[in-house]
Amino acid sequence: DAKTTQPTSMDCAEGRAANLPCNHSTISGNEYVYWYRQIHSQGPQYIIHGLKNNETNEMASLIITEDRKSSTLILPHATLRDTAVYYCIVRAEGAQKLVFGQGTRLTINP
Amino acid sequence: NAGVTQTPKFQVLKTGQSMTLQCAQDMNHEYMSWYRQDPGMGLRLIHYSVGAGITDQGEVPNGYNVSRSTTEDFPLRLLSAAPSQTSVYFCASSYGPDAQETQYFGPGTRLLVL
Repeated sequence: DAKTTQPTSMDCAEGRAANLPCNHSTISGNEYVYWYRQIHSQGPQYIIHGLKNNETNEMASLIITEDRKSSTLILPHATLRDTAVYYCIVRAEGAQKLVFGQGTRLTINP
Repeated sequence: NAGVTQTPKFQVLKTGQSMTLQCAQDMNHEYMSWYRQDPGMGLRLIHYSVGAGITDQGEVPNGYNVSRSTTEDFPLRLLSAAPSQTSVYFCASSYGPDAQETQYFGPGTRLLVL
């Protein structure tokens, strides 16, 4: 699986959009980009995933660059409950595991 | 649906003791797996199963056994607990192992080995 690079920590004001970047410059054509988050040592929670196209669901939007070497997770209106560690994961077709790195610790400030 | 459930939530063991961590899912998922998370670290795969009767090793399998007699349950056994196994254990499940299948995680079991 390709390696990902994320900032160690970020801050965002409540009500603003939180934009979390992820670099995956060695991604292969059959690898998906996944985002999970972990709130205060709870089990990781799935947020969104994509292959090539931008994706949006009720939680977030995922913007993948045309060359697929980087992506951005967007939480459109961050709340205090969005404070968590966010993991960007690249997973190949048929891969048996999710490889979790250090993630980005996102703090939403009132 | 209850999703993925794990018991117990917290356990303290003495070195050398054995125990079983329980994991169950009610989503009819074929693929189940166990991860451990050490403080400040990401999750590491211990064992996984692609269906009832089939299990395989992940990246850190030593000291752990698994079995999968039913689709719903995937217990993790610690044969002889060691302090190095102090960790938080997460069970996950999905319809299949394919990259586009979302994995859902349980709430975790916090294990302390003295």
